[in-house]
This record gives sequence, structure tokens and C-alpha cells, in this order.
Amino acid sequence: DAEITQSPRHKITETGRQVTLACHQTWNHNNMFWYRQDLGHGLRLIHYSYGVQDTNKGEVSDGYSVSRSNTEDLPLTLESAASSQTSVYFCASKNTGSVEAFFGQGTRLTVV
Amino acid sequence: AQSVTQPDIHITVSEGASLELRCNYSYGATPYLFWYVQSPGQGLQLLLKYFSGDTLVQGIKGFEAEFKRSQSSFNLRKPSVHWSDAAEYFCAVMDSSYKLIFGSGTRLLVRP
Repeated sequence: DAEITQSPRHKITETGRQVTLACHQTWNHNNMFWYRQDLGHGLRLIHYSYGVQDTNKGEVSDGYSVSRSNTEDLPLTLESAASSQTSVYFCASKNTGSVEAFFGQGTRLTVV
Repeated sequence: AQSVTQPDIHITVSEGASLELRCNYSYGATPYLFWYVQSPGQGLQLLLKYFSGDTLVQGIKGFEAEFKRSQSSFNLRKPSVHWSDAAEYFCAVMDSSYKLIFGSGTRLLVRP
């Protein structure tokens, strides 16, 4: 079955380190998104992509970057992890023109 | 700018009682509206969606929601809550660029 997977599911890292969270989908969806989930804020959009080589900043993009070298993957990089980036991160994908998005299981990141 | 408000952070209901979770949105055009559910440690699952047409939409797990344009609301309802419905519920609107904008969520607790 087609799916969207995130790895790792849990990560502890130190302040200042570079961290990359992986997101891989097998639906061949063009649109992919990264959200962070924090208590009291719901899910906030970090970055998104509408296709290969396309990336866009979302609401809370500072300190994060993404790259889209193929359709299946949208890795999220924290250039220099900060404690404020401790959060649960969700990746999502959907087809162009479709309104239904599918979410991964999430990655819990702790920055100490 | 588009936004979604879920005014209730927590709601507690007894098993078997009815449930209504509130959602208000701000959007200029006819909105695409969604309700997602997140069980502990899990990703987001789509409960139901509204695009157009009948303002009462049916979803999975016995949930329904009613779109009321005059009140800018899309409240989620269930006639009889089960203990397994305890979870966090998110209302979302899709903006003109096909990005999801989420509310802050409502955590549902179910009393035995």
C-alpha cells in the first residue's frame, strides 16, 4: 500500500547541532508539507513544496530549510537546533488539485 | 488572512452523551473545511470534509459536521460518544494555495 513515512520517530539532539528529519511518500504526490505541533498552537506550517525543485516558506520557517530533489522525499533540516524547536513534526502530502492531505505519524524532536 | 479558531481547549463528556466541538473560520471565499482527529502518539486522520453542496456532512466513526456560512462555523457533532473517541480534534481550512491552516485543537476527554 502507498504510504507516507517519517523517520526517525523520536530524536534527541543538542543545541547547535544540525538535524535532518526525513519524509518519504510513495503516492507520487506533487505537494508536500512540513508542520510543527505545539500545545496551544495546533499545527503550524513550516515549509512546503509543490514539486521537484520547488520550495516555499510557511508561517514558521525561521531556522528550518527543505529541499526537493525528487517527488518522493522532502527532508526538513534544522540548521542549528534550538530549544524552541523542541516539538512534534508532521509531514503531509497530497496530489495537485486534490484537497485531501495524508499525514505521517510524526517525529518527536527534543533539543537539549 | 485565513484563520481557524477552536475556542475550547478541553472538553469532557460522559460516555454515551452527545458531543459538539466548535470551530470558527475566517476566509473570504467559499472554504474547504476539514476535521481531523489525532489519537495519542498517532498522526492525523481525516474525519470529514466540506467543499460545497449539502451543509451537513457525514464522516467516519459516526461524526458529522454542519457548515453555517452566516456564522462562519463548522462544528463537529456526534450523538453518542464512545470511550475510544478520546483524542485531540483539529479543525482546518484550506487556503487558496491549497495549504491547510489549522486551529489550535480541542482535547476530548471521555468519562466512563
